Amino acid sequence: NAGVTQTPKFQVLKTGQSMTLQCAQDMNHEYMSWYRQDPGMGLRLIHYSVGAGITDQGEVPNGYNVSRSTTEDFPLRLLSAAPSQTSVYFCASSYSRQGVTEAFFGQGTRLTVV
Amino acid sequence: KQEVTQIPAALSVPEGENLVLNCSFTDSAIYNLQWFRQDPGKGLTSLLLIQSSQREQTSGRLNASLDKSSGRSTLYIAASQPGDSATYLCAVGDGANSKLTFGKGITLSVRP
Repeated sequence: NAGVTQTPKFQVLKTGQSMTLQCAQDMNHEYMSWYRQDPGMGLRLIHYSVGAGITDQGEVPNGYNVSRSTTEDFPLRLLSAAPSQTSVYFCASSYSRQGVTEAFFGQGTRLTVV
Repeated sequence: KQEVTQIPAALSVPEGENLVLNCSFTDSAIYNLQWFRQDPGKGLTSLLLIQSSQREQTSGRLNASLDKSSGRSTLYIAASQPGDSATYLCAVGDGANSKLTFGKGITLSVRP
């Protein structure tokens, strides 16, 4: 049981380049989300999804796109990377059953934009 | 807008001490609260989950309590060990979804 898997673990981009951060979960969770973690800021929600085909914006969505074509995958796209997007990105999945909701996180992707 | 505060930002204690980590939130209409542990350069590991209808949860040496009316949660660590050194994050959920609001965390150092 792999849980939440993020790839790559590290990435360096040049300003203006595009890339996709991958996130996959094998727990059949309906909810998935992306957060970024910056020093002194804590974790902030970028985008989230309540099921396949349904996504919505979080607190800091600008510069990022998401889609969810399957229950398992929730990729995060940077269309034109900026130095302000240098951060550690975490993907999470969660279930909600019988009134209980719990989130599980991946190991993170450390992104540097130069 | 929900705001979650964890004070102090850092804490250093000698091994064996019992300690309490505090978390406060501004909107008491929460769905749940989770405590996470994060080791340097690693992801988040869920420690304890408290649903809004619960008052506390226990796992081994850890005990988390929730007081919704006062907007507070505490994580109690008994008989601390150097292996407990990490950052502890508190997060509140506003519904049956994946949306969490995090505090900035408390970095704990347990001295041998």
